[in-house]
Amino acid sequence: NAGVTQTPKFQVLKTGQSMTLQCAQDMNHNSMYWYRQDPGMGLRLIYYSASEGTTDKGEVPNGYNVSRLNKREFSLRLESAAPSQTSVYFCASRVLAGATSGANVLTFGAGSRLTVL
Amino acid sequence: DQQVKQNSPSLSVQEGRISILNCDYTNSMFDYFLWYKKYPAEGPTFLISISSIKDKNEDGRFTVFLNKSAKHLSLHIVPSQPGDSAVYFCAATPPVISGSARQLTFGSGTQLTVLP
Repeated sequence: NAGVTQTPKFQVLKTGQSMTLQCAQDMNHNSMYWYRQDPGMGLRLIYYSASEGTTDKGEVPNGYNVSRLNKREFSLRLESAAPSQTSVYFCASRVLAGATSGANVLTFGAGSRLTVL
Repeated sequence: DQQVKQNSPSLSVQEGRISILNCDYTNSMFDYFLWYKKYPAEGPTFLISISSIKDKNEDGRFTVFLNKSAKHLSLHIVPSQPGDSAVYFCAATPPVISGSARQLTFGSGTQLTVLP
């Protein structure tokens, strides 16, 4: 019963390096999300995919790209990492992007801690 | 401009007493509110929610109150237990717009410490 799995759990990058955070869910959810958590800022939405084949920008998309590889997998790419991207990244999924109350419940992965030097 | 605010970064409570965590919002379009709990090195997990058509929702030791006129919600934990020590995030969402996703806006979180 894995839920949402993120890799890697920890990563240290130098400024300008690139990397991809991987996320996979085994709950047959339609919608997937990438958030970042920073002290005093809560969780902010970077990108989301309401359904397979679609992606949209969230609140803080600059410096990131995403790929919804299939229904299970949603990756987040940093093309040229900057110190401002030092954060904890959370992938999440939910059944539907739409209106019903139960579908509002996000299931989160355990997080990926990224440090950019 | 933070649309969902948790003005208390931390709260300490004695075991057995009531914990009250507060959350304010500014967007009057929000119609569904949720609380998530987060332990260190884990992702947030859903705790309890409330629709704007209600003013109270209970689930065991957890009760969420919504005051729409004040744009304020609170989470009450009674009695508090040491295992409740975690960061609590409130979140809010507006009604879905046709063809778009229903996004959650999170507060900055409150660290609750329950002292034995």
